[in-house]
Amino acid sequence: DQQVKQNSPSLSVQEGRISILNCDYTNSMFDYFLWYKKYPAEGPTFLISISSIKDKNEDGRFTVFLNKSAKHLSLHIVPSQPGDSAVYFCAARGGGADGLTFGKGTHLIIQP
Amino acid sequence: DTAVSQTPKYLVTQMGNDKSIKCEQNLGHDTMYWYKQDSKKFLKIMFSYNNKELIINETVPNRFSPKSPDKAHLNLHINSLELGDSAVYFCASSQSPGPRETQYFGPGTRLLVL
Repeated sequence: DQQVKQNSPSLSVQEGRISILNCDYTNSMFDYFLWYKKYPAEGPTFLISISSIKDKNEDGRFTVFLNKSAKHLSLHIVPSQPGDSAVYFCAARGGGADGLTFGKGTHLIIQP
Repeated sequence: DTAVSQTPKYLVTQMGNDKSIKCEQNLGHDTMYWYKQDSKKFLKIMFSYNNKELIINETVPNRFSPKSPDKAHLNLHINSLELGDSAVYFCASSQSPGPRETQYFGPGTRLLVL
């Protein structure tokens, strides 16, 4: 029962272009959403978050958009840089659960 | 300085053995967690521990027992290891258990049960 879904296992983007990573969720009790970035052999690193009362949060090159009615969020990275190549996990919190509920991740590859 | 550290980084062991994984955080956080990343790459919460209160995920077998000697440490002991326990185990911590609190993850412990 996947409550957080990332349907694209991988995404390839040219350096300098925009990377858009998508995430869908099914649990309407989720009220806080996060994106984590993970390099091989390391733990996930927090990137950006958004509360369910907002529809957009921006931090430098990273912007997260939330569409509550569609239960969809996306992470935009612009411009994409080689160091952005990593696995990106969408996570959600709320609904009584104490921990984070993660998606399976999307492997972003930035091509020179 | 490493904020959240785990030992060992790799653990290879035989089925039926008992093993422990250690986690330490130097962030002064009150809440710590254990997550399991299985072969399908899902990261799933196993436990959270806040100020001596343990919240157990019901799907975790009771062969898994977290132990917290103090606020900075949350160890994971696994009895009678099974093949299906092979996974990457991540420890994390946050300032408090609140839903807005950012969780900081350790580098993971790769457990392989033969």
